[in-house]
Amino acid sequence: EAGVVQSPRYKIIEKKQPVAFWCNPISGHNTLYWYLQNLGQGPELLIRYENEEAVDDSQLPKDRFSAERLKGVDSTLKIQPAELGDSAVYLCASSLRQGAGTDTQYFGPGTRLTVL
Amino acid sequence: GDSVTQMEGPVTLSEEAFLTINCTYTATGYPSLFWYVQYPGEGLQLLLKATKADDKGSNKGFEATYRKETTSFHLEKGSVQVSDSAVYFCALSALEQGAQKLVFGQGTRLTINP
Repeated sequence: EAGVVQSPRYKIIEKKQPVAFWCNPISGHNTLYWYLQNLGQGPELLIRYENEEAVDDSQLPKDRFSAERLKGVDSTLKIQPAELGDSAVYLCASSLRQGAGTDTQYFGPGTRLTVL
Repeated sequence: GDSVTQMEGPVTLSEEAFLTINCTYTATGYPSLFWYVQYPGEGLQLLLKATKADDKGSNKGFEATYRKETTSFHLEKGSVQVSDSAVYFCALSALEQGAQKLVFGQGTRLTINP
């Protein structure tokens, strides 16, 4: 079974430029998560999707970050414009939620963003 | 809010040494507890989990016991190998809006020397 796929694996951009990350979850998984992982820290949730609906985006900086999950499968996370402080690893995870609190999250390899 | 505190790293051991990585948590409810491992260049992988007090999670020779009285979930392995070199994350899950929300510690980098 294929795992969570993310692309690109690495991205270097100059500040004020836009950037987008793509995630393909495990087939059949209805829940998708985007996390931000700063250097030396644990991941922090940015947004969670149940199918195509964003059910928790309370930690997403909406002035510059946006996300979408069309058709409830693949997802894209965008930053526009990027700032120096956005340099981090962006992780995607997916799970199959069949009941309250029963899902295990599976993570992709992440996209390492460097903003110059 | 809920939080997880892990042993400061990095940790360096020799092969076949005994490993302990400490993890304590603060939570208002009764969370499930997890250890994730991140090998170089890879995503986080679930290593083990425990869903209630006194449960012991185990996998690949690693063990951790959910201790409610000390709010701890320390990771142990009796004899580490070079291939265990990775970053280890302790996490708890808090139910929010009916779904699992993971809260992670800061991670502990483990290096095993041959």
